[in-house]
Amino acid sequence: VLTQSPATLSLSPGDRATLSCRASQSISTLLAWYQQKPGQSPRLLIYDASHRATGIPARFSGSGSGTDFTLTISSLEPEDFAVYYCQQRSDFITFGQGTRLEIK
Amino acid sequence: QITLKESGPTLVKPTQTLTLTCRFSGFSLTNSGVGVGWIRQPPGKALEWLALIYWDDGKRYRPSLKTRLTITKDTSKNQVVLTLTNVDPVDTATYYCVSCVTETCFDFWGQGTLVTVSS
Repeated sequence: VLTQSPATLSLSPGDRATLSCRASQSISTLLAWYQQKPGQSPRLLIYDASHRATGIPARFSGSGSGTDFTLTISSLEPEDFAVYYCQQRSDFITFGQGTRLEIK
Repeated sequence: QITLKESGPTLVKPTQTLTLTCRFSGFSLTNSGVGVGWIRQPPGKALEWLALIYWDDGKRYRPSLKTRLTITKDTSKNQVVLTLTNVDPVDTATYYCVSCVTETCFDFWGQGTLVTVSS
């Protein structure tokens, strides 16, 4: 089970965003992060906990291993306000419940 | 350029079988390591992985739905088919076709197709 927190994060453009994903058991670094905007398909941001996918801006970074993981957006751009999901592939494949990043 | 596109019915009656087709381009499902899968998202809810098929015909299914799901591939047509038997209104969701081609799963996503289960 993956638990994301907070459920909703209210920040302003230019702020630093820190999103958390906690696994119920160790998943090594087998974790990915996705961004989903309203009416769009999700987009892969980070894989294997800390590797940015092709074309993803450097302001997105991932860290963690074992059970605790973090997605950090260093300085929020207007287009970053969306829902973010973590996903593990250690034990089958599961997603977290998502964190909604909204404009304050 | 890698693209995936889902097709299938928009409305299905309870107890019927749902069949969805994913047609893809820009890669081959005969290449080592490549996979294509399905993920769904009920309205307003989180993502839920369903199934995955690999280049070597290896298959993985969501444990809770394993008895109802079947995934197959036709490499000559560049397509993957998912069937879900005995559908229920709780199966109402947008169904996405996804790939495992470049860096990892799920690197590319289709636009999704909304399927409603209702009598």
